[in-house]
Parts: sequence; C-alpha cells; structure tokens
Amino acid sequence: DTAVSQTPKYLVTQMGNDKSIKCEQNLGHDTMYWYKQDSKKFLKIMFSYNNKELIINETVPNRFSPKSPDKAHLNLHINSLELGDSAVYFCASSPPRTGGQETQYFGPGTRLLVL
Amino acid sequence: QKEVEQNSGPLSVPEGAIASLNCTYSDRGSQSFFWYRQYSGKSPELIMFIYSNGDKEDGRFTAQLNKASQYVSLLIRDSQPSDSATYLCAAQRGLTGGGNKLTFGTGTQLKVEL
Repeated sequence: DTAVSQTPKYLVTQMGNDKSIKCEQNLGHDTMYWYKQDSKKFLKIMFSYNNKELIINETVPNRFSPKSPDKAHLNLHINSLELGDSAVYFCASSPPRTGGQETQYFGPGTRLLVL
Repeated sequence: QKEVEQNSGPLSVPEGAIASLNCTYSDRGSQSFFWYRQYSGKSPELIMFIYSNGDKEDGRFTAQLNKASQYVSLLIRDSQPSDSATYLCAAQRGLTGGGNKLTFGTGTQLKVEL
C-alpha cells in the first residue's frame, strides 16, 4: 500500500508548455504539502493545504497553482514552464496538528526536466 | 543567515565508528526538530524527531536538542555502509491555520567507508 503517491514519476517537456502533477495520500491526513528540491538538493516548501484550505503559499511564481479537490488529493499545475523549473517535486502529508510533533510523510517525487 | 544550517560535507567515517551530524536553527518559535535520511534518487524518510531538550535514543540513532543554543544533532553509532546518504535536518513550527511548516537545511552527505 503506497501511503503518498505521485504521478507522473518522470516528466520531460518543452519550455512554454503547461503540465500538472498529481498527489494522493491514503493515510487519512488533513494536511498536504508541495516541496521543490533543486539540483543542489535543497528542499523548500512551496504550498500547503489543510482541510482543502491554503495555509502556506511561499514566494513562488504565480505560474504555479495548487489545487486540492479533497483532503486526500493535492495537485500542482505549472503554466509556461521555464528551464529553472527543472527539479524534483515532492508531495507530503501530515496528520492533524496536536502538539507540534506531527511527522510529514513524503511521496516518491516527480522528476521534472524542462528542455 | 539560513533558517536551518548544516555542514554540507561530505562527512566520511569508517565502518563501525560514530557519525556526528550537526544542525543550527534561527527561528526560536520552532517546536520540533526532525532528521530525515535521503538516498540518492529517493524521497526523504524520517529517522527520528525531538522536541524536548536533551537526548532521545532510537536504536543506533540518538538525537540531541539544545534550545538555548538553537542546536540539534544526530549521532549514528556503529555506522554501516548502508547509512551512507544525505541527512536532512528540519525545524517545524505550527501555523495558525492548522498544519505545520517544516524548514529544511541543505543536508549533510555522510559516507561510511569499509
């Protein structure tokens, strides 16, 4: 049973195209996240939804738009792809916040290459 | 100043030795601290977390937290070649809208040599 899954695993596309990445979790968690890991392996938060409400929206170009149709799904749509968007995008989820020790569980990542 | 700082390494230790990984953070509102391990081409996986000052042990791993010094460390005893990976330190704070924000360091690459 895959806890946090992402599709596709690999995405190779041309500059200027629009693409979407999908994420699903079957852990019953309330909160989901999108992270970007660049070529230097730095993992940075982009967005987070809690019960389908946007709670984190970091300084990200507005070409990136997250959508959460329900608590178990969080998608990321990217318009007008640029070379600098090439990275690994990780989805994660965590249970409801109680004491602040909630762990985030990561999906396998989507490797995006923009040519 | 980065919010979470780690030495990028690589840190090389012989098999069987203790590997010591260090991390400092700047946000005093951080409540919990996490260590993730990431193998090349894979996703981060949780090793352990700590939220109280002092030590926390789990098998071969010990996390240490000193909130006054804003310092977190991870000790790996009896290091094995399979421990060779990048170790990510992260600081977490709660958000008013629910959920948490996890801020990662750049990671320390550990190499355990035979």
